[in-house]
Amino acid sequence: NAGVIQTPRHKVTGKGQEATLWCEPISGHSAVFWYRQTIVQGLEFLTYFRNQAPIDDSGMPKERFSAQMPNQSHSTLKIQSTQPQDSAVYLCASSLDYWGNYAEQFFGPGTRLTVL
Amino acid sequence: GQQVQQSPASLVLQEGENAELQCNFSTSLNSMQWFYQRPGGSLVSLFYNPSGTKHSGRLTSTTVIKERRSSLHISSSQTTDSGTYLCALDDTNAYKVIFGKGTHLHVLP
Repeated sequence: NAGVIQTPRHKVTGKGQEATLWCEPISGHSAVFWYRQTIVQGLEFLTYFRNQAPIDDSGMPKERFSAQMPNQSHSTLKIQSTQPQDSAVYLCASSLDYWGNYAEQFFGPGTRLTVL
Repeated sequence: GQQVQQSPASLVLQEGENAELQCNFSTSLNSMQWFYQRPGGSLVSLFYNPSGTKHSGRLTSTTVIKERRSSLHISSSQTTDSGTYLCALDDTNAYKVIFGKGTHLHVLP
């Protein structure tokens, strides 16, 4: 079991460019979560999927952020027109299931996004 | 107000000392999880602890759901224990996982 895989590990973009981050959850896990972590804000929930369906995106900045899960083996987080304040570590986690019934979450190594 | 409060925010220990980290929550929960994060690293699960007490080596987690609190005890601390300890809980009312701000632990040799 390779654990949760995230690529790339580091990404540097120029202001206004697009960034796409990838996450491969643990095989058999039906819930996938995206978080953002900064020193100032700490760990912030962005969105989560259950059985590939988007369930809660209340943490997502509405205008430039989007997430998809086209199949059970990967999810993407896309940031359009990146801004310096988007610089953060983006973490993906998966769990066996989640529907108001917490299951242990396993995190990937994260993608460090730097917007110049 | 903040639904998950961790204390202390930071802690400095001499190697060999014990540490008690607290996580208090203002919302009802199903269960919670403790994580460890090394600077620049990802989150490593320490305990998934719906309730009661669990042990893992020098670590002990105790969660009392009806009192809305959980603690993480580190005995005989080592320099390699340095890092950030985070608790996360499942908010039953919001179907959402909420993280605390963490306790930053520094163990001196």
